Amino acid sequence: QKEVEQNSGPLSVPEGAIASLNCTYSDRVSQSFFWYRQYSGKSPELIMSIYSNGDKEDGRFTAQLNKASQYVSLLIRDSQPSDSATYLCAGHGSGNTGKLIFGQGTTLQVKP
Amino acid sequence: DAGVTQSPTHLIKTRGQQVTLRCSPKSGHDTVSWYQQALGQGPQFIFQYYEEEERQRGNFPDRFSGHQFPNYSSELNVNALLLGDSALYLCASSFGGEYDIQYFGAGTRLSVL
Repeated sequence: QKEVEQNSGPLSVPEGAIASLNCTYSDRVSQSFFWYRQYSGKSPELIMSIYSNGDKEDGRFTAQLNKASQYVSLLIRDSQPSDSATYLCAGHGSGNTGKLIFGQGTTLQVKP
Repeated sequence: DAGVTQSPTHLIKTRGQQVTLRCSPKSGHDTVSWYQQALGQGPQFIFQYYEEEERQRGNFPDRFSGHQFPNYSSELNVNALLLGDSALYLCASSFGGEYDIQYFGAGTRLSVL
């Protein structure tokens, strides 16, 4: 099993819809998680961090963490064409210092 | 407030050559991590530097080495370049703590011919 797994997509949603991005992780990944957005040819940009079980909201973005199911998700409400990008899920390696383990990313396409 | 800066932006090398990439962390940050991102993949951890020491290393060969300077800036050196080393090299900075958020620079695109 990969340490962090994401469906590569593409995930296509119409403008204004809710986009739901999912990520699962193995026991080799710790309990702090991050969502990064990466536009084509650019570097990852932090969208959300989540450390505790439950939901965390920031504007149009909501991150959800379920430790029992080893599952992390990102919801984007009122999706805009400018949200079209690759979304990377990452977590810190268990017992290690600072190493971020990334999934391969999910490509989101928001169609006008 | 300057963010994480990397240089150069792009680099073209031939097989067998050596390359040095540079990174200046975000103001107030003391920890630098390096990642390699191949096309269509997520970033892969190379190593992390803190207090001028390599704190942790990923599954990369010894051809990949690094250094951190007293001002917290860092270099990534790759010797004996292979075609497979072609990738986007990302530097991320954070502040000291084990689980602190990492902020990425714009990256260096390395092409090995």
